[in-house]
Amino acid sequence: AQKITQTQPGMFVQEKEAVTLDCTYDTSDQSYGLFWYKQPSSGEMIFLIYQGSYDEQNATEGRYSLNFQKARKSANLVISASQLGDSAMYFCAMREGRNAGNNRKLIWGLGTSLAVNP
Amino acid sequence: GAGVSQSPRYKVAKRGQDVALRCDPISGHVSLFWYQQALGQGPEFLTYFQNEAQLDKSGLPSDRFFAERPEGSVSTLKIQRTQQEDSAVYLCASSSYGGARTGELFFGEGSRLTVL
Repeated sequence: AQKITQTQPGMFVQEKEAVTLDCTYDTSDQSYGLFWYKQPSSGEMIFLIYQGSYDEQNATEGRYSLNFQKARKSANLVISASQLGDSAMYFCAMREGRNAGNNRKLIWGLGTSLAVNP
Repeated sequence: GAGVSQSPRYKVAKRGQDVALRCDPISGHVSLFWYQQALGQGPEFLTYFQNEAQLDKSGLPSDRFFAERPEGSVSTLKIQRTQQEDSAVYLCASSSYGGARTGELFFGEGSRLTVL
């Protein structure tokens, strides 16, 4: 069963506006971590933001914030003040298990292609 | 550079050929992962090393796939008798074991394999 669902294959946003990229997940673990990565055309996956299942506050990293709704099992990424350089694929991923040091594998969604229009 | 380095960036192989893909992780990173990313898909886990020990190889799709990290730094992913379905981007990632809270992975730019 698919554990990470990204329902938006493609999104458009006007430069300087905010955009929300959706991600829902499925797990029976109480402890897990959620990640967002950006993949530009160069191919490298770039880490954006992390949310732990026990974190009480939504994660923020600069222009990126994660709208974490645990009961709904959603972890949407919000990008504020979009820039042309934000055009890329965006992937949501999950790691089950509490201990980051376990370095368990990530389970990935299919991604959302974001295009920022000037 | 200081990031994860992968080579070759592009590889074209004829069906049945063997290929070897190299990953040079960030210096000092204990953990190393290989992922396979087919066109239009998210990455799929292949295998995980902690230093030279291969702790998880559950994602390797067949016995034609083999990975090693003999000295706990550089890793090689080898695919024997390549098939067309092996065409994908192979991503390598490293992280510091038990370091950052997030266990953040640092990725290379990938090796794009095309099997004709």
